[in-house]
Amino acid sequence: DTEVTQTPKHLVMGMTNKKSLKCEQHMGHRAMYWYKQKAKKPPELMFVYSYEKLSINESVPSRFSPECPNSSLLNLHLHALQPEDSALYLCASSPPLLRGSVDNSPLHFGNGTRLTVT
Amino acid sequence: GIQVEQSPPDLILQEGANSTLRCNFSDSVNNLQWFHQNPWGQLINLFYIPSGTKQNGRLSATTVATERYSLLYISSSQTTDSGVYFCAVENTGNQFYFGTGTSLTVIP
Repeated sequence: DTEVTQTPKHLVMGMTNKKSLKCEQHMGHRAMYWYKQKAKKPPELMFVYSYEKLSINESVPSRFSPECPNSSLLNLHLHALQPEDSALYLCASSPPLLRGSVDNSPLHFGNGTRLTVT
Repeated sequence: GIQVEQSPPDLILQEGANSTLRCNFSDSVNNLQWFHQNPWGQLINLFYIPSGTKQNGRLSATTVATERYSLLYISSSQTTDSGVYFCAVENTGNQFYFGTGTSLTVIP
């Protein structure tokens, strides 16, 4: 399931650095997500963009700044991170609701960026 | 928010054995998915199953939405089935929440 592409695969950054994580999908999905996963824990929802607008922010610290430049791209800008922010960062997308349908559609995940903050 | 509990938390199987993993959720849901996370961290879609029963090879899943649970069946397990199995549910507005996970180890 690699229709969602995340770069880089690995990232090591210092606490004073600024870096960005990138996510791209070309499936026409209109909802995109950032999740954070610590070792031996389930993924935790951070942000949701729906039709390129931020619809959900799960009380994430401001040192994480999401951006959705267009319907195919999702970025996560990182600044002044702490060592405890080291984790696997996962991007996902899901298709739009079908008109008149109560069914939603499933999540598709990228392979993640493994971030280490030193 | 919605609470999602999975059981058992850990499971060790001999190759060839069968198993049942359970996902309980605290509220009605619009979506439910089962994922397998491999040792490299990749989340693989197994089933999209908000209700009913589906089968795919050695795997099958059943969701009883009215009773707020879903089951994942693995038959004739193989070492490649090892990893963590998550269910994820959504009840409002694209908010998908993951269960606590079941860590499966299949030994040869």
